[in-house]
Amino acid sequence: KQEVTQIPAALSVPEGENLVLNCSFTDSAIYNLQWFRQDPGKGLTSLLLIQSSQREQTSGRLNASLDKSSGRSTLYIAASQPGDSATYLCAVRRDGSGNTGKLIFGQGTTLQVKP
Amino acid sequence: NAGVMQNPRHLVRRRGQEARLRCSPMKGHSHVYWYRQLPEEGLKFMVYLQKENIIDESGMPKERFSAEFPKEGPSILRIQQVVRGDSAAYFCASSPDRAASPLHFGNGTRLTVT
Repeated sequence: KQEVTQIPAALSVPEGENLVLNCSFTDSAIYNLQWFRQDPGKGLTSLLLIQSSQREQTSGRLNASLDKSSGRSTLYIAASQPGDSATYLCAVRRDGSGNTGKLIFGQGTTLQVKP
Repeated sequence: NAGVMQNPRHLVRRRGQEARLRCSPMKGHSHVYWYRQLPEEGLKFMVYLQKENIIDESGMPKERFSAEFPKEGPSILRIQQVVRGDSAAYFCASSPDRAASPLHFGNGTRLTVT
């Protein structure tokens, strides 16, 4: 059974810091991994999607890496801003016959960037 | 191209009433997923539907919950005889295909059972 864990559960940093959010998964047979952002009371915004054959994806100040064999992904945020404050969710999609598009989510990391 | 539309945004029901949550997928998307986010918990998969068919309902409680995605109209998640424990945010996501494309999420319906 796939389990996804995110560490830390919460993080508070001063503005301008570079930071890393961690995601680990127990079953390496994944099709892809997706990072989302969730603002309080709002829905999910997709940030980055990494296919299982890829090592990383970049979008602006965000960089996500994937090490499928070790079951790990990191989301790197450069030069953090107060507007980055949100909960960041990692989710994996199973590979093979189990790939129905269903995502397994981690519990999230709640980030606060202080001005 | 409008995103995934969910309504209502907020729904208050008394114990024992029925709750109906609606989801209109993005244009061209025929695959719909429902997730539930309980307070202080992560998102949990409930059900996956493709037009007129339930493909995977492994995450849906066996009783009181049902889902449909008719040929015409939105997908409906129906909760009968709601209890306080059903209070949660219910999110819908859609995709144009089964395997490859990322899921696009709506803003959710926040159900409060009093």
